[in-house]
Amino acid sequence: AQRVTQPEKLLSVFKGAPVELKCNYSYSGSPELFWYVQYSRQRLQLLLRHISRESIKGFTADLNKGETSFHLKKPFAQEEDSAMYYCALSDSGGSNYKLTFGKGTLLTVNP
Amino acid sequence: NAGVTQTPKFQVLKTGQSMTLQCAQDMNHEYMSWYRQDPGMGLRLIHYSVGAGITDQGEVPNGYNVSRSTTEDFPLRLLSAAPSQTSVYFCASRAGHFTPHSPLHFGNGTRLTVT
Repeated sequence: AQRVTQPEKLLSVFKGAPVELKCNYSYSGSPELFWYVQYSRQRLQLLLRHISRESIKGFTADLNKGETSFHLKKPFAQEEDSAMYYCALSDSGGSNYKLTFGKGTLLTVNP
Repeated sequence: NAGVTQTPKFQVLKTGQSMTLQCAQDMNHEYMSWYRQDPGMGLRLIHYSVGAGITDQGEVPNGYNVSRSTTEDFPLRLLSAAPSQTSVYFCASRAGHFTPHSPLHFGNGTRLTVT
């Protein structure tokens, strides 16, 4: 069974400080990993996916298969980064490609 | 394109009542799904569909029914509402079930309260 763990429910940092949101996964196959973000009063939206190896809004995430992690990082947090962040894993080995979400981390960036 | 549209935005039900949450997408996505979002529990998959006429259970299917008669629509039915079903419900779709890296597109959510 696939599982996604986000160990921090809440994370609070000051503007300009580095931020790292942790995500660990459990999956026997080759995972597809994503970070989704939900800003206040907005719908959930994709932030980035590991296959694209992209940087979005200054955020990056590297898949570490040895540590089964996909931590989200940003070197200098901004107040507008305050949001709920979800790590998600897609089953790429079956025929249904269900997306399993972690419980989320609420990031607050203080001025 | 409207994307994924959910109705209603808010609903209050009494225990035992039934209702249907509507979800429609105009992106010709094969894959559609329903999640519930609860504090401290994250997003949990209720039901999903990989195409018209095909549905399957997710993590928390009890108390909910779905059907997929068209590619566009994926309604979620609460058969007999219970207070434990108080939650925010999200419908989401993605392009093709053979493209695991395609992102989910979410609706705005339906906030349901069962008293």
